[in-house]
Amino acid sequence: GAVVSQHPSRVICKSGTSVKIECRSLDFQATTMFWYRQFPKQSLMLMATSNEGSKATYEQGVEKDKFLINHASLTLSTLTVTSAHPEDSSFYICSAAREQFFGPGTRLTVL
Amino acid sequence: GQQVMQIPQYQHVQEGEDFTTYCNSSTTLSNIQWYKQRPGGHPVFLIQLVKSGEVKKQKRLTFQFGEAKKNSSLHITATQTTDVGTYFCAGRGNTGKLIFGQGTTLQVKP
Repeated sequence: GAVVSQHPSRVICKSGTSVKIECRSLDFQATTMFWYRQFPKQSLMLMATSNEGSKATYEQGVEKDKFLINHASLTLSTLTVTSAHPEDSSFYICSAAREQFFGPGTRLTVL
Repeated sequence: GQQVMQIPQYQHVQEGEDFTTYCNSSTTLSNIQWYKQRPGGHPVFLIQLVKSGEVKKQKRLTFQFGEAKKNSSLHITATQTTDVGTYFCAGRGNTGKLIFGQGTTLQVKP
């Protein structure tokens, strides 16, 4: 079956720094990838839809200048959390292929 | 906007008992998907239901999609400790977006 990988799996950073998270589709081409955020004991909230070769579509309430998404190829989408703050600490998960395949997630902790 | 409500939030059962989680959407769905997430893990796709009134089975798991395509349920027969985790429904509405329910966390006592 389709496999989606994410890197890194865990990151701890200082407040004010930027963190880049990569999402790769390993055995298929994904023109569209999705980025979700999950706070502890809560559900997955769609942040944005990443479109290859064009601008991402952000959900209401998600700051596009804070969460930069780049989908430069059919197998790679990146999410950069800029000027991270402690409230950005969360589990970030990407998905592809009509959202049936999720990456393993990246646990971000901002100190 | 589209909302997907899922109940119960938590369920503790004795091993061997049955378990059911229910999902209701505020709008008609084009399809609904179910996922299982183990503690510390990521959501794993279980199944997708598309047709009105559809019923699908996977071993001890039975999935139903309501006639109005606004509700769904997941029933587990004779739970086992390996069934522990959080079960999410996710509905796709007319916007094309997949909206997740709040999830039901299942604990199974051996």
